[in-house]
Amino acid sequence: DTAVSQTPKYLVTQMGNDKSIKCEQNLGHDTMYWYKQDSKKFLKIMFSYNNKELIINETVPNRFSPKSPDKAHLNLHINSLELGDSAVYFCASSPNPGQGNYGYTFGSGTRLTVV
Amino acid sequence: RKEVEQDPGPFNVPEGATVAFNCTYSNSASQSFFWYRQDCRKEPKLLMSVYSSGNEDGRFTAQLNRASQYISLLIRDSKLSDSATYLCVVNPDSNYQLIWGAGTKLIIKP
Repeated sequence: DTAVSQTPKYLVTQMGNDKSIKCEQNLGHDTMYWYKQDSKKFLKIMFSYNNKELIINETVPNRFSPKSPDKAHLNLHINSLELGDSAVYFCASSPNPGQGNYGYTFGSGTRLTVV
Repeated sequence: RKEVEQDPGPFNVPEGATVAFNCTYSNSASQSFFWYRQDCRKEPKLLMSVYSSGNEDGRFTAQLNRASQYISLLIRDSKLSDSATYLCVVNPDSNYQLIWGAGTKLIIKP
């Protein structure tokens, strides 16, 4: 009964490949996020969807494309992977602002290594 | 100036001691504040929200000082299991995006 689950947990791939990471939440939250945490441990927002609508689209290379088929799922596709894409990618979800405590719930992360 | 600043540490503290760390934020209109905990190679987890009047949860006390634009986290009677990175998080405008500090690493030693 994992609240936010993302797959795969580990991903090792060669430069130039295309890969996808999937995320699903069963909390009934309306908003989902993708974050990147690099080797310096900074958490950086990449994208956010609210009820399948893109609401945050930070400055990331357009090789990164999110897709939200429904409000419980948010996937991340990465084209032409580069060495600098190596990081931990976290999916998260939250209720809408104003709905009480809207702290995020994170998935366990996907550790991407590009070789 | 960074939007949310924390001392990266590490803070090396003996078990049983009290430890406190602060976090400053730049946007005076910020609405909501949180402390998250992140263990090594794990995801961040919400530790506590920070309310204007200050709040306590067991050994943990969080306080907000709007005049000086900082929030604090106090841990009493520290346990070995408190070793982690503590992330300060601010919502600047009641919108969806949270601003994250880089975290303060805490190491509790026996």
